[in-house]
Amino acid sequence: GQNIDQPTEMTATEGAIVQINCTYQTSGFNGLFWYQQHAGEAPTFLSYNVLDGLEEKGRFSSFLSRSKGYSYLLLKELQMKDSASYLCAVRERTGGSYIPTFGRGTSLIVHP
Amino acid sequence: GAGVSQSPSNKVTEKGKDVELRCDPISGHTALYWYRQSLGQGLEFLIYFQGNSAPDKSGLPSDRFSAERTGGSVSTLTIQRTQQEDSAVYLCASSTRTSGGAVYEQYFGPGTRLTVT
Repeated sequence: GQNIDQPTEMTATEGAIVQINCTYQTSGFNGLFWYQQHAGEAPTFLSYNVLDGLEEKGRFSSFLSRSKGYSYLLLKELQMKDSASYLCAVRERTGGSYIPTFGRGTSLIVHP
Repeated sequence: GAGVSQSPSNKVTEKGKDVELRCDPISGHTALYWYRQSLGQGLEFLIYFQGNSAPDKSGLPSDRFSAERTGGSVSTLTIQRTQQEDSAVYLCASSTRTSGGAVYEQYFGPGTRLTVT
């Protein structure tokens, strides 16, 4: 089983930088994902980490420390359209199954 | 190309009735997942299909829930004798495959919003 924690809500100003943290506990770690979900829509894939370190993709970056069970998603140059829920998901190997388990998501509100 | 599709988009049913929810994954994707999402909650894993292997049903909340995947493609989630607590958005996702270490991100369908009255 897993326990995934992320803040419920964050607010930030347009143009600023925001960091969304995610901590997890798992016995069979097999990768960590970040998804973005706008209200009323399906989640869409943002980033993936399986090794320690930082993965950068445009305005978004994601960091992983497996020894600490910790990840963060960094959003730079925030835009109003970045207002959404950000879901941290940890894929765990259990027997022959590889199943991502999702946190409750962090609702990000970007204001002018 | 076509993404994951689900039908119906909305379903209102009376308590005690059975419902069937359909998912058409992306062609060629061998892994298929069902999740449900209640208001303000995270995605709750329900069931996982991978190729011809036996499905992982460890997330199904009760024996009223079942799912099948025919021909390695379309999947149907069935809820028997629906209860009000079954009200949620049911999301289906597919991925190319699953294995150790590689990305194989999930592609989600738009979901079915189920309301049990």
